[in-house]
Amino acid sequence: AQSVTQPDIHITVSEGASLELRCNYSYGATPYLFWYVQSPGQGLQLLLKYFSGDTLVQGIKGFEAEFKRSQSSFNLRKPSVHWSDAAEYFCAASSGGYQKVTFGTGTKLQVIP
Amino acid sequence: DAGVIQSPRHEVTEMGQEVTLRCKPISGHNSLFWYRQTMMRGLELLIYFNNNVPIDDSGMPEDRFSAKMPNASFSTLKIQPSEPRDSAVYFCASSLSSSGGADTQYFGPGTRLTVL
Repeated sequence: AQSVTQPDIHITVSEGASLELRCNYSYGATPYLFWYVQSPGQGLQLLLKYFSGDTLVQGIKGFEAEFKRSQSSFNLRKPSVHWSDAAEYFCAASSGGYQKVTFGTGTKLQVIP
Repeated sequence: DAGVIQSPRHEVTEMGQEVTLRCKPISGHNSLFWYRQTMMRGLELLIYFNNNVPIDDSGMPEDRFSAKMPNASFSTLKIQPSEPRDSAVYFCASSLSSSGGADTQYFGPGTRLTVL
């Protein structure tokens, strides 16, 4: 079955530190891959997406993600975290076309001063 | 653009009552999605419309749930009768293209439903 796994439920980092959020997918072929962010009380907002081509994808708010086919991973990174990055982050995947998007269970990021 | 609009933002009702959630997608978007988010089950797709036609309703929990999209600018999700286990945040999202699975989805702010 198609699935998206985010192994870390909760992560705490210090402001200014680097961040990496993990995401693994299980699909028959390389899916379309997404990272969304949800701030408290808000809907989800797209950070970045990967369809094909360059495996390092740049997104908004200084985030980037790297697609690694051999590891079935699409990890999200940021070199220096800001307090405003505290939110919940969702990895998602789809086979495209009329296939639905499958979301991971989310990773809640806490940023400490 | 106003983004995806959902109403009401909060709904508190009693078990057995009918609940109707409303969504106005972004103008020009062809696909509309209804999701439910809970602590236990995370974010679940309930139903997905393309050009006002339901494409995938496999996530609709049971017959108590129904969704309609009478035109390109309006959709409803109805629960009748409501039960306490329906308490959740319900999100509506829309996307521009017909390829709902490949396109960016724009989410509304959600409706927080509490069934007592």
